[in-house]
Amino acid sequence: AQKVTQAQTEISVVEKEDVTLDCVYETRDTTYYLFWYKQPPSGELVFLIRRNSFDEQNEISGRYSWNFQKSTSSFNFTITASQVVDSAVYFCALSEANQFYFGTGTSLTVIP
Amino acid sequence: GAVVSQHPSWVICKSGTSVKIECRSLDFQATTMFWYRQFPKQSLMLMATSNEGSKATYEQGVEKDKFLINHASLTLSTLTVTSAHPEDSSFYICSAPDRGRVTGELFFGEGSRLTVL
Repeated sequence: AQKVTQAQTEISVVEKEDVTLDCVYETRDTTYYLFWYKQPPSGELVFLIRRNSFDEQNEISGRYSWNFQKSTSSFNFTITASQVVDSAVYFCALSEANQFYFGTGTSLTVIP
Repeated sequence: GAVVSQHPSWVICKSGTSVKIECRSLDFQATTMFWYRQFPKQSLMLMATSNEGSKATYEQGVEKDKFLINHASLTLSTLTVTSAHPEDSSFYICSAPDRGRVTGELFFGEGSRLTVL
């Protein structure tokens, strides 16, 4: 079974629209970490956020916000007022028991 | 922050040659490093876990003799693609956990894009 599921393979939005990338994870551990990474066309993985399992507070960083809900095992990522530079592949990941699991990624295209 | 550097960023080679990719942790010691492979429009697939001073652990389906991994020091791991063929063309990324931080986070290198002609 997939530990991290990103059901949206590709998303296209028009610039300035808001967009939410979904991430659902599966774990039996009580201590785990969740991450979001951005991978632009250059290939390098850019770290966006880390959340530990004991901190369900939502977080906002500029145009980015994250909604962590343990009840639904979800860690969704919203980009507000999207820009062309947001076009990239976004990966959600889970770290538990020294194992790291990536989702399959969501390719976001922001159309000018 | 913890920095992992990978070299080369890209390499083009002829079929049958071997290519070495280096992964260095610049400001921390890494007893363990992970090597990933990524095909176009796909996720990162763990190939192997590199352990300092001992043999690497390979994931199922990854040929040990094809992808030689050496972790000779606490800051350097190398991946050698031996007798490369066009199907080995891919994006290879290394990563290392910073044990001192206990955050479960992995720090990634910039990646190495291999093209085998």
